[in-house]
Amino acid sequence: EPEVTQTPSHQVTQMGQEVILRCVPISNHLYFYWYRQILGQKVEFLVSFYNNEISEKSEIFDDQFSVERPDGSNFTLKIRSTKLEDSAMYFCASRITGRNTEAFFGQGTRLTVV
Amino acid sequence: GENVEQHPSTLSVQEGDSAVIKCTYSDSASNYFPWYKQELGKRPQLIIDIRSNVGEKKDQRIAVTLNKTAKHFSLHITETQPEDSAVYFCAASIGASGGGADGLTFGKGTHLIIQP
Repeated sequence: EPEVTQTPSHQVTQMGQEVILRCVPISNHLYFYWYRQILGQKVEFLVSFYNNEISEKSEIFDDQFSVERPDGSNFTLKIRSTKLEDSAMYFCASRITGRNTEAFFGQGTRLTVV
Repeated sequence: GENVEQHPSTLSVQEGDSAVIKCTYSDSASNYFPWYKQELGKRPQLIIDIRSNVGEKKDQRIAVTLNKTAKHFSLHITETQPEDSAVYFCAASIGASGGGADGLTFGKGTHLIIQP
């Protein structure tokens, strides 16, 4: 069964450093998302991406965050200058269409900012 | 924006009994309501979803009901088994016309514990 894959599974970084989280969505999916989950809390929407541009973003997704689809398969989330409060599990998700269809989640990247 | 409230935060039931988790949402434009199960340290996985043109949907031991007037939706698990123990999240999204890439707004989760 096709699945969303994310790398790395765990990333430790120093405060102020840039990190790039990588995702390979399911190949025929057209809509891509990043979510985050602080330990023990709910999953929070960050951003959605379609047709090579951001469709929607939440208040969390400020100027420190950016997303890119650099080639036909990867979808990346960049955090420019990490803060301690960026420590969380980051999930990538993809959907075949944007409307009322299942969002498939990757296994997540645990980001620890020290 | 959308706000999803979920109750209870923890639910403990005896194996074989039923479990009910309830959610409310705020935006009447929301029309897609999935439920995700998340085991410790793993990804959320869809277990059932419902769209606003349907009031109830069932899949074996799992059912979801939707009351659009009251903006409530609920997850029902019957004949619970130990492997049902997990955190369950409800979510809502607006399926924008034209295929807008709407994100999901999640509830805070319910930790379901099945007592043997």
